[in-house]
Amino acid sequence: GQQVMQIPQYQHVQEGEDFTTYCNSSTTLSNIQWYKQRPGGHPVFLIQLVKSGEVKKQKRLTFQFGEAKKNSSLHITATQTTDVGTYFCAEYQAGTALIFGKGTTLSVSS
Amino acid sequence: EAGVTQFPSHSVIEKGQTVTLRCDPISGHDNLYWYRRVMGKEIKFLLHFVKESKQDESGMPNNRFLAERTGGTYSTLKVQPAELEDSGVYFCASSQGGTQYFGPGTRLLVL
Repeated sequence: GQQVMQIPQYQHVQEGEDFTTYCNSSTTLSNIQWYKQRPGGHPVFLIQLVKSGEVKKQKRLTFQFGEAKKNSSLHITATQTTDVGTYFCAEYQAGTALIFGKGTTLSVSS
Repeated sequence: EAGVTQFPSHSVIEKGQTVTLRCDPISGHDNLYWYRRVMGKEIKFLLHFVKESKQDESGMPNNRFLAERTGGTYSTLKVQPAELEDSGVYFCASSQGGTQYFGPGTRLLVL
Protein backbone atom coordinates (compact mmCIF):
# COMPACT_ATOMS: atom_id res chain seq x y z
CA GLY A 1 0.00 0.00 0.00
CA GLN A 2 0.85 3.66 -0.08
CA GLN A 3 3.81 4.51 2.11
CA VAL A 4 5.27 7.80 3.13
CA MET A 5 8.91 7.52 4.15
CA GLN A 6 10.28 10.04 6.61
CA ILE A 7 13.87 10.76 7.62
CA PRO A 8 15.69 11.09 9.88
CA GLN A 9 14.00 9.10 12.62
CA TYR A 10 15.78 11.08 15.34
CA GLN A 11 17.62 14.37 15.37
CA HIS A 12 19.35 16.14 18.19
CA VAL A 13 20.41 19.76 17.85
CA GLN A 14 21.79 22.52 19.98
CA GLU A 15 19.40 25.37 20.61
CA GLY A 16 19.78 27.88 17.82
CA GLU A 17 20.74 25.35 15.17
CA ASP A 18 18.50 24.60 12.22
CA PHE A 19 16.56 21.37 11.71
CA THR A 20 15.03 19.70 8.68
CA THR A 21 12.89 16.60 8.27
CA TYR A 22 12.08 15.04 4.91
CA CYS A 23 9.21 12.99 3.55
CA ASN A 24 9.31 10.94 0.39
CA SER A 25 6.84 8.87 -1.53
CA SER A 26 7.31 6.57 -4.51
CA THR A 27 3.99 7.78 -5.90
CA THR A 28 2.52 11.22 -6.44
CA LEU A 29 0.91 12.63 -3.34
CA SER A 30 -2.42 14.40 -3.57
CA ASN A 31 -1.40 16.59 -0.64
CA ILE A 32 0.89 16.55 2.35
CA GLN A 33 0.03 17.52 5.88
CA TRP A 34 2.40 18.13 8.76
CA TYR A 35 1.69 17.42 12.41
CA LYS A 36 3.61 18.00 15.63
CA GLN A 37 3.29 15.76 18.65
CA ARG A 38 4.81 16.99 21.88
CA PRO A 39 6.19 14.37 24.29
CA GLY A 40 3.22 12.65 25.91
CA GLY A 41 0.82 14.60 23.73
CA HIS A 42 -1.19 14.06 20.61
CA PRO A 43 -0.69 15.05 16.97
CA VAL A 44 -1.55 18.67 16.27
CA PHE A 45 -2.14 19.84 12.74
CA LEU A 46 0.39 22.36 11.49
CA ILE A 47 -0.24 22.85 7.80
CA GLN A 48 -1.38 21.33 4.51
CA LEU A 49 0.35 21.68 1.15
CA VAL A 50 -1.50 20.88 -2.06
CA LYS A 51 0.20 22.55 -5.01
CA SER A 52 3.35 21.45 -6.79
CA GLY A 53 6.34 23.45 -5.56
CA GLU A 54 4.31 25.10 -2.81
CA VAL A 55 6.17 26.81 0.01
CA LYS A 56 4.51 28.01 3.19
CA LYS A 57 5.96 29.65 6.26
CA GLN A 58 4.85 29.81 9.86
CA LYS A 59 7.26 31.98 11.82
CA ARG A 60 10.47 29.90 12.01
CA LEU A 61 8.93 26.92 10.20
CA THR A 62 9.16 26.55 6.43
CA PHE A 63 7.22 23.83 4.62
CA GLN A 64 7.91 22.78 1.03
CA PHE A 65 6.13 20.48 -1.40
CA GLY A 66 8.26 19.13 -4.23
CA GLU A 67 7.67 19.95 -7.85
CA ALA A 68 6.79 16.34 -8.59
CA LYS A 69 4.61 16.14 -5.47
CA LYS A 70 6.57 13.15 -4.27
CA ASN A 71 8.48 14.79 -1.46
CA SER A 72 8.13 17.42 1.20
CA SER A 73 10.24 19.01 3.88
CA LEU A 74 9.83 20.90 7.11
CA HIS A 75 12.65 23.24 8.08
CA ILE A 76 12.93 24.95 11.44
CA THR A 77 15.28 27.91 11.70
CA ALA A 78 17.08 28.59 14.96
CA THR A 79 15.47 25.85 17.01
CA GLN A 80 14.19 26.52 20.50
CA THR A 81 13.49 24.10 23.34
CA THR A 82 9.79 24.54 22.65
CA ASP A 83 10.31 22.87 19.26
CA VAL A 84 10.94 19.51 20.95
CA GLY A 85 8.61 16.75 19.78
CA THR A 86 7.89 14.40 16.94
CA TYR A 87 7.06 15.83 13.54
CA PHE A 88 4.93 13.72 11.25
CA CYS A 89 4.11 14.14 7.62
CA ALA A 90 0.94 12.53 6.32
CA GLU A 91 -1.02 12.26 3.14
CA TYR A 92 -4.75 12.78 3.43
CA GLN A 93 -6.57 10.39 1.16
CA ALA A 94 -9.98 11.87 0.51
CA GLY A 95 -12.85 9.81 1.80
CA THR A 96 -10.60 7.78 4.00
CA ALA A 97 -7.80 8.68 6.33
CA LEU A 98 -4.32 10.00 6.95
CA ILE A 99 -1.32 7.94 5.90
CA PHE A 100 1.47 8.92 8.25
CA GLY A 101 5.21 8.77 7.96
CA LYS A 102 7.09 7.31 10.92
CA GLY A 103 7.93 10.74 12.24
CA THR A 104 11.12 12.54 13.16
CA THR A 105 11.74 13.04 16.85
CA LEU A 106 13.56 16.27 17.56
CA SER A 107 15.43 16.92 20.78
CA VAL A 108 16.99 20.29 21.56
CA SER A 109 19.61 20.99 24.17
CA SER A 110 20.15 24.47 25.55
CA GLU B 1 -15.29 24.73 22.07
CA ALA B 2 -14.34 21.40 23.64
CA GLY B 3 -11.86 19.28 21.75
CA VAL B 4 -11.81 15.56 21.14
CA THR B 5 -11.79 13.65 24.39
CA GLN B 6 -10.80 10.07 25.06
CA PHE B 7 -11.26 7.78 28.01
CA PRO B 8 -9.41 6.27 29.73
CA SER B 9 -6.11 8.06 29.38
CA HIS B 10 -4.24 4.92 30.40
CA SER B 11 -5.15 1.27 30.69
CA VAL B 12 -3.06 -1.64 31.90
CA ILE B 13 -4.61 -5.07 31.39
CA GLU B 14 -3.50 -8.66 31.21
CA LYS B 15 -3.39 -10.67 28.06
CA GLY B 16 -6.79 -12.21 27.39
CA GLN B 17 -8.77 -9.47 29.08
CA THR B 18 -11.14 -7.06 27.40
CA VAL B 19 -10.71 -3.31 27.16
CA THR B 20 -13.08 -0.69 25.79
CA LEU B 21 -11.82 2.70 24.71
CA ARG B 22 -14.13 5.64 24.27
CA CYS B 23 -13.88 8.71 22.07
CA ASP B 24 -16.06 11.80 22.13
CA PRO B 25 -15.52 13.83 18.98
CA ILE B 26 -15.93 17.55 18.61
CA SER B 27 -19.64 18.31 18.60
CA GLY B 28 -21.04 18.36 15.06
CA HIS B 29 -18.17 16.48 13.47
CA ASP B 30 -19.54 13.71 11.28
CA ASN B 31 -16.17 12.11 10.63
CA LEU B 32 -14.52 10.07 13.36
CA TYR B 33 -11.27 8.18 12.95
CA TRP B 34 -9.36 5.71 15.07
CA TYR B 35 -5.59 5.43 14.77
CA ARG B 36 -2.96 3.49 16.68
CA ARG B 37 0.72 4.09 17.29
CA VAL B 38 2.79 1.17 18.40
CA MET B 39 6.06 2.16 20.08
CA GLY B 40 8.58 3.48 17.60
CA LYS B 41 6.36 3.01 14.59
CA GLU B 42 4.12 5.22 12.53
CA ILE B 43 0.60 6.22 13.41
CA LYS B 44 -1.61 3.75 11.62
CA PHE B 45 -5.19 4.18 10.52
CA LEU B 46 -7.69 1.73 11.94
CA LEU B 47 -11.10 2.87 10.77
CA HIS B 48 -13.29 5.78 9.76
CA PHE B 49 -16.90 6.53 10.66
CA VAL B 50 -19.15 8.95 8.88
CA LYS B 51 -21.88 9.57 11.39
CA GLU B 52 -22.84 6.09 12.58
CA SER B 53 -21.68 4.26 9.45
CA LYS B 54 -18.30 2.61 8.97
CA GLN B 55 -16.84 4.27 5.91
CA ASP B 56 -13.57 2.36 5.93
CA GLU B 57 -12.37 -0.28 8.34
CA SER B 58 -9.49 -1.56 6.25
CA GLY B 59 -6.98 -0.79 8.97
CA MET B 60 -8.53 -2.94 11.67
CA PRO B 61 -5.90 -5.55 12.55
CA ASN B 62 -8.24 -8.50 13.11
CA ASN B 63 -11.62 -9.53 14.45
CA ARG B 64 -10.54 -8.99 18.06
CA PHE B 65 -11.18 -5.30 17.43
CA LEU B 66 -14.74 -3.99 17.32
CA ALA B 67 -15.66 -0.35 16.84
CA GLU B 68 -19.07 1.19 17.19
CA ARG B 69 -20.58 4.62 16.90
CA THR B 70 -24.18 4.27 17.86
CA GLY B 71 -26.19 7.41 17.20
CA GLY B 72 -23.32 9.00 15.37
CA THR B 73 -21.91 10.71 18.44
CA TYR B 74 -19.28 9.04 20.61
CA SER B 75 -17.45 5.92 19.54
CA THR B 76 -16.07 2.90 21.35
CA LEU B 77 -13.27 0.58 20.36
CA LYS B 78 -13.28 -2.78 22.08
CA VAL B 79 -10.37 -5.18 22.08
CA GLN B 80 -11.35 -8.70 23.06
CA PRO B 81 -9.30 -10.66 23.96
CA ALA B 82 -6.30 -8.37 24.19
CA GLU B 83 -2.89 -9.60 23.08
CA LEU B 84 0.58 -8.28 23.90
CA GLU B 85 0.99 -6.74 20.44
CA ASP B 86 -2.09 -4.58 21.00
CA SER B 87 -0.10 -2.33 23.32
CA GLY B 88 0.29 1.21 22.05
CA VAL B 89 -1.41 4.56 21.97
CA TYR B 90 -4.87 4.68 20.46
CA PHE B 91 -5.82 8.05 19.04
CA CYS B 92 -9.21 9.23 17.98
CA ALA B 93 -9.65 12.15 15.60
CA SER B 94 -12.67 13.98 14.27
CA SER B 95 -13.30 16.33 11.40
CA GLN B 96 -16.00 18.00 9.44
CA GLY B 97 -14.37 17.23 6.11
CA GLY B 98 -11.22 19.23 6.67
CA THR B 99 -8.56 19.26 9.34
CA GLN B 100 -8.55 16.28 11.63
CA TYR B 101 -8.40 17.11 15.33
CA PHE B 102 -6.82 14.48 17.51
CA GLY B 103 -7.74 13.50 21.02
CA PRO B 104 -5.15 13.00 23.75
CA GLY B 105 -5.04 9.26 23.17
CA THR B 106 -5.42 6.18 25.33
CA ARG B 107 -2.18 4.48 26.31
CA LEU B 108 -2.84 0.76 26.41
CA LEU B 109 -0.41 -1.68 27.93
CA VAL B 110 -1.15 -5.39 27.69
CA LEU B 111 0.92 -7.53 30.06
